[in-house]
Amino acid sequence: NAGVTQTPKFRILKIGQSMTLQCTQDMNHNYMYWYRQDPGMGLKLIYYSVGAGITDKGEVPNGYNVSRSTTEDFPLRLELAAPSQTSVYFCASRAGTGDTGELFFGEGSRLTVL
Amino acid sequence: GNSVTQMEGPVTLSEEAFLTINCTYTATGYPSLFWYVQYPGEGLQLLLKATKADDKGSNKGFEATYRKETTSFHLEKGSVQVSDSAVYFCALRRTSGTYKYIFGTGTRLKVLA
Repeated sequence: NAGVTQTPKFRILKIGQSMTLQCTQDMNHNYMYWYRQDPGMGLKLIYYSVGAGITDKGEVPNGYNVSRSTTEDFPLRLELAAPSQTSVYFCASRAGTGDTGELFFGEGSRLTVL
Repeated sequence: GNSVTQMEGPVTLSEEAFLTINCTYTATGYPSLFWYVQYPGEGLQLLLKATKADDKGSNKGFEATYRKETTSFHLEKGSVQVSDSAVYFCALRRTSGTYKYIFGTGTRLKVLA
């Protein structure tokens, strides 16, 4: 059972560089989410998607972009990396309307911007 | 707006001690409530949940009861083990409109042998 797979697990970026965090799920879930986890701050929602072709902003979307061209994939793009984006990023998914409400998380991607 | 407040950690206990981690919430209507656990180096995973008032969620010896009158969902375990050392997150999800989850800041638990 692969579940939710995130890559890379670790990455160091220089200020101004760009990168994409990949997220893939094999559970045919409709809903997908990107969160960032900062020490002592819990999880903050960056973007979410309720299905292929549909995305929307969460609490902290500035500096990020997403796309959802397929049900399986939900990549997160950082265009101009800044030190404030140093964090651990989690992708999550859930089935959709009528589901149990459980979110399934990937193992996380630790990003450091220097 | 919706919010979740958890007791601050870290919480350090000896093995077999009783655990309580407090969680209170603010929300309109009747949200679903969750406890997630994050073991070192891993993502979050669902520990238990409750979807309506007076429901009790339970799993792996952990319990939490949905108390609407006190807007609380405190996590308890009668006898903790070293393997319970992790970060615990309380979360809510509204049952209409938004598809978003609101997470607390997390409480780190360390259990000593």
